[in-house]
Amino acid sequence: KQEVTQIPAALSVPEGENLVLNCSFTDSAIYNLQWFRQDPGKGLTSLLLIQSSQREQTSGRLNASLDKSSGRSTLYIAASQPGDSATYLCAVLFNDYKLSFGAGTTVTVRA
Amino acid sequence: GAGVSQTPSNKVTEKGKYVELRCDPISGHTALYWYRQSLGQGPEFLIYFQGTGAADDSGLPNDRFFAVRPEGSVSTLKIQRTERGDSAVYLCASSFGPSEFPYNEQFFGPGTRLTVL
Repeated sequence: KQEVTQIPAALSVPEGENLVLNCSFTDSAIYNLQWFRQDPGKGLTSLLLIQSSQREQTSGRLNASLDKSSGRSTLYIAASQPGDSATYLCAVLFNDYKLSFGAGTTVTVRA
Repeated sequence: GAGVSQTPSNKVTEKGKYVELRCDPISGHTALYWYRQSLGQGPEFLIYFQGTGAADDSGLPNDRFFAVRPEGSVSTLKIQRTERGDSAVYLCASSFGPSEFPYNEQFFGPGTRLTVL
């Protein structure tokens, strides 16, 4: 079964600290991996998409890496801010249309 | 341009009632997806449309759930004889079709929060 796991389920850090969010998946044959942000009661905002052929993607303070052989992706958020508080979801495209999601990591950045 | 829109944003209904949830995809996107997100969980796949046809409906939990996309644009998710366990956020996403690059990035709507009393 193709599964996506995110650990930890919750994370609390002081403002300014770098955030490291982990995602693991069971099958290395993937099409792509996406990181999403979800604010309470809201939909999903796409942060970064890494195609299968790529090793990393960067956008501003965000950097995501992909290691297919070990079934892992890491999302780094530099110099965290209270506005970064949200739930971060990792989603893997194991075939060409069905995204499989992790349960998310809820981040709290303390001012 | 406009993103994926979903209506209503919230729906409260009584057990046993029928509900319809609507999704308007991004213009030009031929692929449309429905997902369901229960509290504290990640979204789970329900159904995928390519054009007007349901290419994969394997995620629909039972035959009370049905979805249509008659003109290849707007889609409606229909739930008959609702149960309390159907309470969740229903998310719609759209993307370009598999013959169009970059076809596999899915863009999500804000969701419909369904509460069955």
